Amino acid sequence: DAGITQSPRHKVTETGTPVTLRCHQTENHRYMYWYRQDPGHGLRLIHYSYGVKDTDKGEVSDGYSVSRSKTEDFLLTLESATSSQTSVYFCAISDTGRSNQPQHFGDGTRLSIL
Amino acid sequence: DAKTTQPPSMDCAEGRAANLPCNHSTISGNEYVYWYRQIHSQGPQYIIHGLKNNETNEMASLIITEDRKSSTLILPHATLRDTAVYYCIVRVGSGSARQLTFGSGTQLTVLP
Repeated sequence: DAGITQSPRHKVTETGTPVTLRCHQTENHRYMYWYRQDPGHGLRLIHYSYGVKDTDKGEVSDGYSVSRSKTEDFLLTLESATSSQTSVYFCAISDTGRSNQPQHFGDGTRLSIL
Repeated sequence: DAKTTQPPSMDCAEGRAANLPCNHSTISGNEYVYWYRQIHSQGPQYIIHGLKNNETNEMASLIITEDRKSSTLILPHATLRDTAVYYCIVRVGSGSARQLTFGSGTQLTVLP
């Protein structure tokens, strides 16, 4: 299995609080991605990174920010969490950004915002 | 990216081959066919991908029809641990990072 660790695995917090999710990889892959998975919507891309300090928006980026200061770590921040951001968040990595390279996923963070 | 159509559910007896079909009739010449699976409460797991030729790895085989409008994922000897939702995805083979678009998938249940 790809060396991807997401933390925390579960979190419950209140509306309006800041939340940071961490994705750590040991594969030295250049590309990292944050997705959210919700019933009826499948997986949707939030943000992705194509190198240290290089990031771009995905399909559902509003309300989220990301940072990548080291190759191995990609952080997802909810500056002021809302109940609509209750979801399961998955990190993925790929060696290149080419579409003939598979993305490998972590085991997810289950986030509940009350 | 091309849309895919999969049956919502399938059963398979343990030890038998599981053949999961996928229709992608609008696929373009540079789109790859990917298969992932997701076991409840875990992250999606990459299985296999291909462009034109059939592919095999330690997990499965991928058979793509000559016209590329459909494909079949084959798990040669299904076990109870193969019970999962299986997703067939097509992706453009050029350009920069693109998200994976997961459809509804096929719920495969392996029966003892």
